[in-house]
This record gives sequence, C-alpha cells and structure tokens, in this order.
Amino acid sequence: AQSVTQPDIHITVSEGASLELRCNYSYGATPYLFWYVQSPGQGLQLLLKYFSGDTLVQGIKGFEAEFKRSQSSFNLRKPSVHWSDAAEYFCAASGYSTLTFGKGTMLLVSP
Amino acid sequence: DTEVTQTPKHLVMGMTNKKSLKCEQHMGHRAMYWYKQKAKKPPELMFVYSYEKLSINESVPSRFSPECPNSSLLNLHLHALQPEDSALYLCASSREGRDQYFGAGTRLSVL
Repeated sequence: AQSVTQPDIHITVSEGASLELRCNYSYGATPYLFWYVQSPGQGLQLLLKYFSGDTLVQGIKGFEAEFKRSQSSFNLRKPSVHWSDAAEYFCAASGYSTLTFGKGTMLLVSP
Repeated sequence: DTEVTQTPKHLVMGMTNKKSLKCEQHMGHRAMYWYKQKAKKPPELMFVYSYEKLSINESVPSRFSPECPNSSLLNLHLHALQPEDSALYLCASSREGRDQYFGAGTRLSVL
C-alpha cells in the first residue's frame, strides 16, 4: 500500500536556527512528491514539488527539499527559520491523480 | 495565478438544513477535488472530478452531493448533516492530476 510517513509530530526550533522536517514514502515506483504548509484555519499552500531531474528542489519562502531514492526520503529544509514559519507541514505523494498525505509535522518557533 | 476561491469561509447549519459550498478556479485546471479535514489531521479525499465528470467518490455518505457545473466551478451540496461532519472543507484543483492547489477552505459547524 502507498504511504507517507512523517516521523515527527511536533518540532520546536529557535528563530534563526536551521530546520529539517523528515518525510519517507512507500510507493511502487518513484511518486511525485510535495510539501505543503498550513497555517491555523487556512488552506494548504504548496511549498515545492519534485517530479524528476535535479534531486535538490527549491521552493517558496526559502524552503528546499532533497529527494533521496536510496532512502525513500524527501526531507524539507530551511537554513534560518522565522517566527512566521510556525505552522503545520504536510508531505504528500502522488502516483497520478490523488495525493497521499503524511500525518503532518507541527513546527513551533521559539524566540 | 494559483488561486482557488472558496465560499463561504464559515458556515453554521442545523441538521435539517440544506446548504452548498462553492469553489472556483480560473487556472484552466481540468481536475477538481473536495477534501474534508478534521483538526490536527491531514485532509481526507472525498471526491474527484476530471473533465467535469465524477471520477472518484471515496465512499462518502449521500448527505454530501458534489456537482461540477463547468470546468471552473465545483459545488458541494449538504443536506441532513450530522455534528460529526463539522470540519474544514477544502477544494483543490490541478492541471494534470499532479500538483494540487488548495483554496482557503470553508469552516463548517453542524449544530
């Protein structure tokens, strides 16, 4: 069965520190991979996506993610976190038409 | 422009009411989606429309009735809902069934 795992339910990072959110997938073939961010009471905003090609993907708001086929991972990174980055982050995978979401990681940013 | 517009933003309804949620996109996307999201959970897929035809119905109760009047509009008709149907309802669209763009959602409360 297809699945996406985000092993961290919560992560707390100091403002200005670096961030890495983990995501692992289990699919029959390499899926399309996505990271979304959701602020409280809001919809999901697409941060970045990986379809093929360069395994380091740049997204909006200074985020990047690296696809590692050998580890079935697609981890999200940011070099310096801002207080406004506090939100829920969802990793998702797609074979073609439907998304499989991870359970999400809540990012808390401390002063 | 990657905007998906959902109305209303908030909706309170009784269990005997009939109401509709609306979703609109002008990105030329031919796939549109309805999701239900409970607090602290990832979105759950309800329906998928592809080229204005219902292609996926994830065993959703008949008190939820989707409609796609044209390629830009998607409605979700609600009737005789239960309190457990209270949730954030998200609409999304995609060009080729890969990266989905989400609206801000409708926060529904059923009394």
